[in-house]
This record gives sequence, C-alpha cells and structure tokens, in this order.
Amino acid sequence: EPEVTQTPSHQVTQMGQEVILRCVPISNHLYFYWYRQILGQKVEFLVSFYNNEISEKSEIFDDQFSVERPDGSNFTLKIRSTKLEDSAMYFCASSGDWSYNEQFFGPGTRLTVL
Amino acid sequence: KNEVEQSPQNLTAQEGEFITINCSYSVGISALHWLQQHPGGGIVSLFMLSSGKKKHGRLIATINIQEKHSSLHITASHPRDSAVYICAVSLDTGNQFYFGTGTSLTVIP
Repeated sequence: EPEVTQTPSHQVTQMGQEVILRCVPISNHLYFYWYRQILGQKVEFLVSFYNNEISEKSEIFDDQFSVERPDGSNFTLKIRSTKLEDSAMYFCASSGDWSYNEQFFGPGTRLTVL
Repeated sequence: KNEVEQSPQNLTAQEGEFITINCSYSVGISALHWLQQHPGGGIVSLFMLSSGKKKHGRLIATINIQEKHSSLHITASHPRDSAVYICAVSLDTGNQFYFGTGTSLTVIP
C-alpha cells in the first residue's frame, strides 16, 4: 500500500542552524501539507502546497520557513535559522484531490533544537 | 476562527467496554476526520465524514451537521486500541485541517 515517507526520523540541531526536512508524498497525489506538533500540544497546520506553489499558510509559517518540491517526488520544509521553540514533531501529509480531501500522513520527523 | 473541542481529554477503559469520544466544532465544514496517533507519534486516518455514519470493523463514526457534533465509538475495546484519537475538520474555504487536542485512550486488559 502506498505511503508517505519522511526523513530523517529524528534531527538534532543547534539554534541558528538551517534544517531541511524531507518528505516523499504518495506518488499520484497533488496536494501536500506540513504540520507540526509541539510536545504535549495539538497538531497545527503550517502550509499547503499545490501546483508548485503555496496555497495556504498559517501564522506560524513565517519568513524562517520555506517549502519546495525540488523534483517530481520530494517535498521539503526548510527552517532557515532554527529557534528553541521550533522543537517539535513535523508531519508531512498528501492528498489526491481537493474535493476528496482525505490526507495521508507520514511518520513524522522529530526536530530537537539545542 | 474554528474551534474543535474534544471530550474527554483522557479515558481509561477495561477491555471489552464500549467507548465514545466526542467532538464539536464551531463553523461550517466540508468534512470531519477522525485520526489515530500511536505512542510513537505516527498519525493514521480512520474516517472522513461529511454526513451520516461510517463503520470500519469495531469503529463507528457519526456526524450531526446541524448540531456540529461527531462521535467516535469503539465496540469491544482492546488494549491495542490504546492511542490518542484526534478529531480534525476541513473547511469549505480551504483544505487545511484544524485539529482538536485529542483524547488519550488507555484500554486495560
């Protein structure tokens, strides 16, 4: 069964460093999403991406964040200069259609900023 | 702003018990989703509902659009059902999910 994959599973970085989180969505899906979950809190939407551009983003998704689909398979989230409060689990998701919007989630990347 | 409220926050049940988790939301939605998050963190989609009722194995999800309320039921609960169950909604105006805080379920053998 097709699934969303994410790498790495755990990333540890120093404050101020850039990190890139990688996702491979399900191959025939068209909509891609990043969410984050700070430990003990609810999952929060960051950004959605369609047709090679951002379609929606939340207040959390400021200038420190960017997303890219550099080739036909990967979908990346870059954090330019990490802060302690960026420590969270980051989930990628994909869906096949706007109207049928069941989203399939990846296993997550746990980001720890020291 | 859409608020998604879940109750209870925590639930402990004996194996075999019938379990109900509730979700209410405040604005019009295109669909409501029930998700399961395992202790390792992974999220699995259980149901997507826009009306009525769906059943999958021992899981049943219902939604009342007029009352802006949904319930997730687990029949004959089992310790492997222990997880966090999350309600999320997607709006007519966009495709992002708004998440509830989750219900942490522990089923004791």
